[in-house]
Amino acid sequence: AQKITQTQPGMFVQEKEAVTLDCTYDTSDPSYGLFWYKQPSSGEMIFLIYQGSYDQQNATEGRYSLNFQKARKSANLVISASQLGDSAMYFCAMREDFNAGGTSYGKLTFGQGTILTVHP
Amino acid sequence: DAGVIQSPRHEVTEMGQEVTLRCKPISGHDYLFWYRQTMMRGLELLIYFNNNVPIDDSGMPEDRFSAKMPNASFSTLKIQPSEPRDSAVYFCASSLYPGGHTEAFFGQGTRLTVV
Repeated sequence: AQKITQTQPGMFVQEKEAVTLDCTYDTSDPSYGLFWYKQPSSGEMIFLIYQGSYDQQNATEGRYSLNFQKARKSANLVISASQLGDSAMYFCAMREDFNAGGTSYGKLTFGQGTILTVHP
Repeated sequence: DAGVIQSPRHEVTEMGQEVTLRCKPISGHDYLFWYRQTMMRGLELLIYFNNNVPIDDSGMPEDRFSAKMPNASFSTLKIQPSEPRDSAVYFCASSLYPGGHTEAFFGQGTRLTVV
């Protein structure tokens, strides 16, 4: 079963505007971590931001913020003041942190990704 | 630290040949992940290790794929025999123990082309 869902295959935004990339996840574990990565056309995977399931506040890292709605199981990435260099593929990921003796402790799985294009 | 190092960066091989991809994780990282990225299937987790022990290999597509981690500083992903549908970018990533802000660090990837 798909655990991470990114419903937007592609998104367009005007330079200097804000954009929200959607991510929903599915888990019954009480402890997990949520991540966003950026993959530019050069191919490397760049970590952007982290949110822990027990964190009370939404994570922020510079122009990136994570809109964490635990009850809805969503972890949307908000990029403020978009720049041309933000054009890339963006991946949402979930790490399972609940160690109940199962086989998925530490497992890190990714969504399908969203291609963001920033227009000048 | 130089980060996660993968080799080779590019590999072109003929169908039926054995292919071995290599990965050196960041020193001190407990977890190592192998992913495959294709346009059709996105970024798939193939297998991951904790302290050199395979934890979950349910993502390995078939018996032609095998992965080993003989020590904390080296892992291999082998495809034997290779097929054109194995063409993809293969990423290795490593991380510290789960829990808290411990993101996975990725290598540059190996672009495999099977002709």
